[in-house]
Amino acid sequence: QKEVEQNSGPLSVPEGAIASLNCTYSDRVSQSFFWYRQYSGKSPELIMSIYSNGDKEDGRFTAQLNKASQYVSLLIRDSQPSDSATYLCAVRGRGSTLGRLYFGRGTQLTVWP
Amino acid sequence: DAGVIQSPRHEVTEMGQEVTLRCKPISGHDYLFWYRQTMMRGLELLIYFNNNVPIDDSGMPEDRFSAKMPNASFSTLKIQPSEPRDSAVYFCASSRHGKEQETQYFGPGTRLLVL
Repeated sequence: QKEVEQNSGPLSVPEGAIASLNCTYSDRVSQSFFWYRQYSGKSPELIMSIYSNGDKEDGRFTAQLNKASQYVSLLIRDSQPSDSATYLCAVRGRGSTLGRLYFGRGTQLTVWP
Repeated sequence: DAGVIQSPRHEVTEMGQEVTLRCKPISGHDYLFWYRQTMMRGLELLIYFNNNVPIDDSGMPEDRFSAKMPNASFSTLKIQPSEPRDSAVYFCASSRHGKEQETQYFGPGTRLLVL
């Protein structure tokens, strides 16, 4: 059973600050990682994916992956109130479970004006 | 693309009644997933299909739950009889080919309340 752990939060940051969301995973051979954002009352939507060690940037979002430490993070620069949501970390299965994702419990982020 | 379609969007029923949730995946996607989300347990995978065949149903909580996928464009999740603890949001998601870099796309969900 693969485990995906996220900092439980909730996380609260002021507008304009950097929000840092963290995720660790148990399966050392995992290769693909995803960050989903879920607004209250809505369904999860993909915002970032990362497959290689290092950083991947997309606008105000940066995903960081360290496979040796089994750690993936999401940084949100210049946080906006519209970033307030729950962020879910997901790890793709391997082998016979390649088709599925394993989700963490999520971290609730609030960005206050 | 229309995205993943789920119906109904909201369902209120009484304990003991049968509930059927429906899902139409994105055209061309060969994986379909049913999830349940609650505050207490987060997002749980109930069952998933590949090419209409159930691959893993270990997340189905009890025999009261059943899922079918009669063709590539339709799936149902049935709860019979329903109980108050089944109240949750049920999401359907689909993906293509199950490759490393393919992600899942979620439907809007069905909010189920069992009284």
